[in-house]
Amino acid sequence: DAGVIQSPRHEVTEMGQEVTLRCKPISGHNSLFWYRQTMMRGLELLIYFNNNVPIDDSGMPEDRFSAKMPNASFSTLKIQPSEPRDSAVYFCASRGTSGQETQYFGPGTRLLVL
Amino acid sequence: AQSVTQPDIHITVSEGASLELRCNYSYGATPYLFWYVQSPGQGLQLLLKYFSGDTLVQGIKGFEAEFKRSQSSFNLRKPSVHWSDAAEYFCAVSVRFGNEKLTFGTGTRLTIIP
Repeated sequence: DAGVIQSPRHEVTEMGQEVTLRCKPISGHNSLFWYRQTMMRGLELLIYFNNNVPIDDSGMPEDRFSAKMPNASFSTLKIQPSEPRDSAVYFCASRGTSGQETQYFGPGTRLLVL
Repeated sequence: AQSVTQPDIHITVSEGASLELRCNYSYGATPYLFWYVQSPGQGLQLLLKYFSGDTLVQGIKGFEAEFKRSQSSFNLRKPSVHWSDAAEYFCAVSVRFGNEKLTFGTGTRLTIIP
């Protein structure tokens, strides 16, 4: 099992640019989660999907952030326009259907907005 | 809403010494409980989890945790730490039956000295 795959692993961009983060969940998992980790706020849930449908996006900071899951094997988190305060590590996690509530995390994307 | 408190921001222990990391949660019922470990620059790896049953759960890498309902605690223990255990440790909770969000504590950074 390849685990959760995220790309890119590192992203450096300039303020105002569009950033797209990508995630491939574990095959067979039906829930996908996007988290953000910063020193100030720790780990925060941004949004999660069940069966490709967004269930709770209350953690999305503002309209500059959007997330999609067009199919069971792919999700994107987009920031447009990016700002320096968006600099963080963004994690994707997926969960299966066994009812055991275990989320498996990807390696993260380290984003730096200059 | 549920919350998690990890009162120790940073702990330093000698290699071979025992370890206990504290975690307290706030929720009206018994939640699902988890411990994750994050090595520098890495994603989060599940160490162990508690859903029900035996309140002492065994995890990977020689870790164990004990759920104490009366104290709303889920402390992580290891009888003898290894230098490779140096990492950040996160306690997390999720509400049973229907709410799939993981709420994380702020983490405890573990340093191992020779």
